[in-house]
Amino acid sequence: GAVVSQHPSWVICKSGTSVKIECRSLDFQATTMFWYRQFPKQSLMLMATSNEGSKATYEQGVEKDKFLINHASLTLSTLTVTSAHPEDSSFYICSASYGNYGYTFGSGTRLTVV
Amino acid sequence: QKEVEQNSGPLSVPEGAIASLNCTYSDRVSQSFFWYRQYSGKSPELIMSIYSNGDKEDGRFTAQLNKASQYVSLLIRDSQPSDSATYLCAVNPGTGNQFYFGTGTSLTVIP
Repeated sequence: GAVVSQHPSWVICKSGTSVKIECRSLDFQATTMFWYRQFPKQSLMLMATSNEGSKATYEQGVEKDKFLINHASLTLSTLTVTSAHPEDSSFYICSASYGNYGYTFGSGTRLTVV
Repeated sequence: QKEVEQNSGPLSVPEGAIASLNCTYSDRVSQSFFWYRQYSGKSPELIMSIYSNGDKEDGRFTAQLNKASQYVSLLIRDSQPSDSATYLCAVNPGTGNQFYFGTGTSLTVIP
């Protein structure tokens, strides 16, 4: 149980285009989802907290107009990287809480902007 | 600022030895502590969670928590090459649901 499905697993896009990443909780309702970014050989950095039915809360330094988060249902949260640039190339991971047992992570999305 | 610090390593141990991974945190009110394992190019997977002072054992893994010293560790007994990965310490300060991660310790188990 407690599976979060994330896709795509990898995507290559041209500079200036937008990319949408989806995370679905398959067997539980995720009131809150978290979006992380991880650059090579670095740790996970929390980008934003996504709450169902309300606006996401962004961490300091994360541009909310660039990284659009939508959490319209209890099982789906999306992250859209708008007007992507090469410096946005990274590993994006979502996670959701499932009770008292911690957090389960999606499988991650490797974004490469060329 | 909520900081979680780990020795980035790399840590190398021979197969069958005990690997010891350490983590310190700055926020005294932190409530929950987790160890995740992350293989290269993959997302983290939960290994252990610990909430109370003392030791918690699960198979070859033992988590140790000392809230007074703001210190949490992970011991891996009988290390196997498949344990080679980056180990992330995560702390939930209890104020909301977000986690704060350490930078991770890279572990290599040498056959």
